[in-house]
Amino acid sequence: AAGVIQSPRHLIKEKRETATLKCYPIPRHDTVYWYQQGPGQDPQFLISFYEKMQSDKGSIPDRFSAQQFSDYHSELNMSSLELGDSALYFCASSPRPPLAGSTDTQYFGPGTRLTVL
Amino acid sequence: KQEVTQIPAALSVPEGENLVLNCSFTDSAIYNLQWFRQDPGKGLTSLLLIQSSQREQTSGRLNASLDKSSGRSTLYIAASQPGDSATYLCAVQNGGGSNYKLTFGKGTLLTVNP
Repeated sequence: AAGVIQSPRHLIKEKRETATLKCYPIPRHDTVYWYQQGPGQDPQFLISFYEKMQSDKGSIPDRFSAQQFSDYHSELNMSSLELGDSALYFCASSPRPPLAGSTDTQYFGPGTRLTVL
Repeated sequence: KQEVTQIPAALSVPEGENLVLNCSFTDSAIYNLQWFRQDPGKGLTSLLLIQSSQREQTSGRLNASLDKSSGRSTLYIAASQPGDSATYLCAVQNGGGSNYKLTFGKGTLLTVNP
């Protein structure tokens, strides 16, 4: 079965550079989520999109922006990178927005490991 | 603000033992609770999802229970195997305005020794 695809899988950047992470959801999934997992930390929600519109926002720095395109893939743009941005960035998708009583899980991609030097 | 706590932080058991991982959450207004498995440096694999109206879910050697009113969940692993070694994360999906995000606990690092 098709899974969530993230690219690149690994990325090394210098401080103050920019980075773009891409996420391709499972076909027919219209909801995309981004999470950041720092070393030894639990995943933290950044932002989500439903039908190409931002649906929820978490602890995402102002230096980061994201969008969902017409083909439902999403990109996370990160500018003025800092050492503390080094983390594993996960994208997840689900077939529809979360509803009470929903059995829909969020399917996670393998993650992009970003290292800022 | 929802907070999720997992106990213990780490657990080491001999192969074949039954074990229980614990998860508690502060806001009981949840849509569902999920247990994930994460291997080192890898992605998250969903193991079980329990809707807020359910009490438990089972998959193979795994059984997860939910007591929504007390804000607790347990993951029971029967007859543990070395391949079960991983970090197990509990996550809740809240209802209401911010119902898209999952709030995770910090996980329990499980080591099953042969």
